[in-house]
Amino acid sequence: EMALTQSPATLSLSPGERATLSCRASQSVGTYLAWYQQRPGQAPRLLIYDASNRANGIPARFSGSGSGTDFTLTISSLEPEDFAIYYCQQRLIWPPFTFGPGTKVEIK
Amino acid sequence: EVQLLESGGGLVQPGGSLRLSCTASGFTFSNYAMSWVRQAPGKGLEWVAGINAIGSEPFYADSVMGHFTVSRDNSKNTVYLQMNSLRADDTAVYYCTKEMAITKPFDYWGQGTLVTVSS
Repeated sequence: EMALTQSPATLSLSPGERATLSCRASQSVGTYLAWYQQRPGQAPRLLIYDASNRANGIPARFSGSGSGTDFTLTISSLEPEDFAIYYCQQRLIWPPFTFGPGTKVEIK
Repeated sequence: EVQLLESGGGLVQPGGSLRLSCTASGFTFSNYAMSWVRQAPGKGLEWVAGINAIGSEPFYADSVMGHFTVSRDNSKNTVYLQMNSLRADDTAVYYCTKEMAITKPFDYWGQGTLVTVSS
């Protein structure tokens, strides 16, 4: 079964810094990978689909890259509202639509 | 504006049943697949069940196969999750989600409904 791993588990950064989050799939998912943001007490929100396309209304500081098994979500300059948990999800091999375990971006 | 409104959560004893509903608005409901995703307290996201746009093809995670049933009524813009033989590890916030398009991820999520399985 498909598995996704995310690293690091926690990323401690200051506002204005660059964040680089990794997602690795146990087998190729092509570019069928999405990223979601979940702020405390809120539902997840779609950020990136098809590895590199920003969803509607997502600021340009969020970007995604990668294909096959290795993917990256980059936040170019962290805003206070960006401190949250980020999940990747694959859409190629289903069911299930596997999520990664998440990376928490916390304020340093 | 797309809205997904879940209802039906609550406290239930182990072995009991519960039916969740999600009523959608702001888009042509019958054109989109829908899914349920859950999140146990302090844990990550787990996709549990989905159904295609016309309601002919349900699909499930192994963890709920045989004790959850997903269905939809396109005349009521509503998707359901019937949960039977509930266990403590089914305790979670259950989110209703809309698929962006075939092969695409979930572009809208409801606010979630909490299901607590406890005696």
